[in-house]
Order: sequence, then structure tokens, then C-alpha cells
Amino acid sequence: SQQGEEDPQALSIQEGENATMNCSYKTSINNLQWYRQNSGRGLVHLILIRSNEREKHSGRLRVTLDTSKKSSSLLITASRAADTASYFCATEETGANNLFFGTGTRLTVIP
Amino acid sequence: DGGITQSPKYLFRKEGQNVTLSCEQNLNHDAMYWYRQDPGQGLRLIYYSQIVNDFQKGDIAEGYSVSREKKESFPLTVTSAQKNPTAFYLCASSDRTRIEQYFGPGTRLTVT
Repeated sequence: SQQGEEDPQALSIQEGENATMNCSYKTSINNLQWYRQNSGRGLVHLILIRSNEREKHSGRLRVTLDTSKKSSSLLITASRAADTASYFCATEETGANNLFFGTGTRLTVIP
Repeated sequence: DGGITQSPKYLFRKEGQNVTLSCEQNLNHDAMYWYRQDPGQGLRLIYYSQIVNDFQKGDIAEGYSVSREKKESFPLTVTSAQKNPTAFYLCASSDRTRIEQYFGPGTRLTVT
């Protein structure tokens, strides 16, 4: 499998600050998605960016995609304590029938 | 109230016993997936099914088996052949476009 790598593995910030996490992958993709997982729970889909898109916004989330560098970033602006969770990128590779998940970034937002 | 349910939330078994994890969805999704998550790790695909009566092995299928007799249900059996079965198991589904996946709450399996 072509599991993505996320960076950093863990991130701790103060409430109100912005959080940026990065994802790198290895093969050509149709789209890249970001998911959130609260501790001990299932994943929740946050946002999807297609391979022909460079930037996408959803509320306080901003995602960028650079297919030449095979990388993506997720920015959470004005963070809240409730944003504390693990965040995973997932890629739908060209020709594949499923998603490949990254290793995750564990975000802690301190009130 | 649509969604995916997994039961039970916690499961304990003795080594050498087979155990079946339940996954049910009422989203009318065609595709269903089983993932394994180990502490501090990402998700690894065990099996997936794109349609009833059909399923495919994922990256770590050894020691697991599945069935897809109904669209709504995709049970996973962890067999005694799985060398390290203790993990968090997540079920997911997606519609015909297979883009966004919807996840169940997970089952934490502990084998001693």
C-alpha cells in the first residue's frame, strides 16, 4: 500500500492559534481527503480536494494540494479546545478502489 | 436516523477463539470496508466489498474473513490464525462514487 506520511506526528497549540498539518504521498491520485478522529471513536470526513484543485475552504478549514510535490496541508484557523483530535489524510489513488490513510497528526488545543 | 453501527463496542476473547464483529449500515451504500487501527497508527485495510456477494482482500487480510450476503451488513471474523488480533476495528461504507467514507464507532477487540 502507499500509506501517506503526516507531519508533525503531534502538535500542541493554544486556543485561538492556527494549526497546520502536512501530508505527503507517493503515487498519482484522483483526490485527497482529510478526516478527523476523536479518541476511541470512528473517523469523520472533513474535506475533499480533487487532483485538479489547488486550494479549498470549508469554514475554518483550508486545504492545499501540490501534486508536483505530492503533498497537502490542512490549516485550522482560530483553533478551539473542541478541535483536539487526530487528523488523517487519505488518498484515492488513480485506478484504486479504496483509500490509503496516512499515519495521522495528533492535535491538542489548550484552552 | 441513518448511519453505521458496530457492535459490540468492546470485545474480549481468549486466544484460539474465532470472533465475529458486526457492521450494519442503513445508508443504502454499495461499498463497505473493514480497517484495523493499532495505537498511534493510521488505518490499514483488511477487506472491502463493492457489491453484495463480492469482496476483495486489502493489505492485511491474513487471519480474517468476511461475508456480504446483504447490502446492509458486512461482518468480519477474526480467526485464530490472526497472530496479533488485539486492535481497534473500524467499519466504513461509501456510495457508488466511492469518494467519501462514513465510519462506524469502532469495536475494540482484546485477545488474551
